[in-house]
Amino acid sequence: DGGITQSPKYLFRKEGQNVTLSCEQNLNHDAMYWYRQDPGQGLRLIYYSQIVNDFQKGDIAEGYSVSREKKESFPLTVTSAQKNPTAFYLCASTSTGTGRQQQYFGPGTRLTVT
Amino acid sequence: GQQLNQSPQSMFIQEGEDVSMNCTSSSIFNTWLWYKQDPGEGPVLLIALYKAGELTSNGRLTAQFGITRKDSFLNISASIPSDVGIYFCAGQGSNYQLIWGAGTKLIIKP
Repeated sequence: DGGITQSPKYLFRKEGQNVTLSCEQNLNHDAMYWYRQDPGQGLRLIYYSQIVNDFQKGDIAEGYSVSREKKESFPLTVTSAQKNPTAFYLCASTSTGTGRQQQYFGPGTRLTVT
Repeated sequence: GQQLNQSPQSMFIQEGEDVSMNCTSSSIFNTWLWYKQDPGEGPVLLIALYKAGELTSNGRLTAQFGITRKDSFLNISASIPSDVGIYFCAGQGSNYQLIWGAGTKLIIKP
């Protein structure tokens, strides 16, 4: 089945450790996105990538890093510089060919840092 | 960053009632999208709108792209228990980023 996978579903880390969240898609989409969602809040854009080997900062990129070495994969690293990393992280992708934006989301990773 | 104004923030309704929510923006959009998110899951696309004035249905859901291109609404008819969740609107301007509303939480009274 085509879709977006994020792993793991739940992740626990100690403060001061970097952690990498996985996002893989087999939809052949060009663009991929990382969002952060806090309880009772909407989605805030962290980073996005419209093409392999290129990515752009979103609204809240500080303390995060990404890479886009393959079309299918867009991992997000939450660094120790992120002051409040506990949140629900969502990965999304979309095709850019038609010019019509329809972002599809993965199931999310809930990160808890103590 | 820029956000859409989505209202209401939450709704308490009886099963069987119709529901209406809307989003407004100060910017013109080329696309309006409506998503539903269940607790602990990723948002799922419900309806996509690409043309001013467009009215699109998906089962009991109907959404419209406002004629001014600055607003959109979503209606749910005859609500059922599985409609509970958070509904988000999102608008796309000239680039590939979406601007998101803060969500409408739908709660069905027992």
